[in-house]
Amino acid sequence: DGGITQSPKYLFRKEGQNVTLSCEQNLNHDAMYWYRQDPGQGLRLIYYSQIVNDFQKGDIAEGYSVSREKKESFPLTVTSAQKNPTAFYLCASSIRQYSGNTIYFGEGSWLTVV
Amino acid sequence: ELKVEQNPLFLSMQEGKNYTIYCNYSTTSDRLYWYRQDPGKSLESLFVLLSNGAVKQEGRLMASLDTKARLSTLHITAAVHDLSATYFCAVLNYGGSQGNLIFGKGTKLSVKP
Repeated sequence: DGGITQSPKYLFRKEGQNVTLSCEQNLNHDAMYWYRQDPGQGLRLIYYSQIVNDFQKGDIAEGYSVSREKKESFPLTVTSAQKNPTAFYLCASSIRQYSGNTIYFGEGSWLTVV
Repeated sequence: ELKVEQNPLFLSMQEGKNYTIYCNYSTTSDRLYWYRQDPGKSLESLFVLLSNGAVKQEGRLMASLDTKARLSTLHITAAVHDLSATYFCAVLNYGGSQGNLIFGKGTKLSVKP
């Protein structure tokens, strides 16, 4: 089945550590996105990518980094510079950015700082 | 900067009743999305509204878009318990560092017997 796979589902990070969240899609979508959701809040955009080898900062990119070396993969690294990383992270994709097509979401990853 | 406001943020309904969730946005856009989220889960796409006057219905949910008023509504007819979830609207933003989809804070719906 086509879809977006995020891993791990749950991740614990120690202070000062970098962690990487995986996002893989087999929908042949050009555009991919990372969102952060805090409890009781909407989603805020961290980074997005319109095409392979290109990505742009979203509204809250500080303390995060991404890469887009393959069309199907868009991993997110939460660095030690991110002071409050505990949140629910959602990866999404769409055929193209601004196309107005449905944007599909993965199942999400819970990150907790211990 | 595009801002999206939903109201109400919390809604407790009796089964069988009707209600409407409102989504207002601050700048011009012609694409609006409605999503459903169950606790601890991802977002499920409900509707994509692509033009002024668009109306879409699925089961007990009906969504509409008025781009001139910058308003979308999600109407719930004869609510049932299975509709209990958080509903988000999101507006397509053309350009800027906010990216392409700006979300409201969500409406947490609880349907009681």
